[in-house]
Amino acid sequence: DTAVSQTPKYLVTQMGNDKSIKCEQNLGHDTMYWYKQDSKKFLKIMFSYNNKELIINETVPNRFSPKSPDKAHLNLHINSLELGDSAVYFCASSGQGASKNIQYFGAGTRLSVL
Amino acid sequence: DQQVKQNSPSLSVQEGRISILNCDYTNSMFDYFLWYKKYPAEGPTFLISISSIKDKNEDGRFTVFLNKSAKHLSLHIVPSQPGDSAVYFCAGNTGTASKLTFGTGTRLQVTL
Repeated sequence: DTAVSQTPKYLVTQMGNDKSIKCEQNLGHDTMYWYKQDSKKFLKIMFSYNNKELIINETVPNRFSPKSPDKAHLNLHINSLELGDSAVYFCASSGQGASKNIQYFGAGTRLSVL
Repeated sequence: DQQVKQNSPSLSVQEGRISILNCDYTNSMFDYFLWYKKYPAEGPTFLISISSIKDKNEDGRFTVFLNKSAKHLSLHIVPSQPGDSAVYFCAGNTGTASKLTFGTGTRLQVTL
């Protein structure tokens, strides 16, 4: 039973299209994140939500819009896709208290923009 | 500005020997450090962590050492096993922001 699941696993699309990546966690965590791993394998945070409220936005272009319908879901919508958006996107979540520093990751979504 | 650096992109170790993976950081605000392991086509998996108030944390074959004055941490794996072959990421966390800042990873290969 996957704790943090992302769909789709692979996404191939044309420049200019709009696409969404979905993320769900069944760990009962309050905080969810989106990270981007670029071609240099550098894993960098994009957004963080706590109980459906945005708490971190790391200077990501406005074309990226996270949406959290409830605390178990954090979806990522990308408008007007560009070649530079090609990367692997990881969703993660973390809990409260003593384990709040530990983030649990999904398997990633590999986005290829042609 | 890379706040977490893993200067060895790869490391090869024989099965049964010790693997030592190193990590340096520049941000003094980090109060928690984590190591993640990543297999191809999978997400990073949490391995072990250490609070900045400690200098050592051990969990089975895995031990993390923290040297705050040198802003350096290391992960020791003893004994190394073929299943340990993966990319290992070091990450720092500032508690209030709760965002992980990752290094670029070290690919460990454990040979027979």
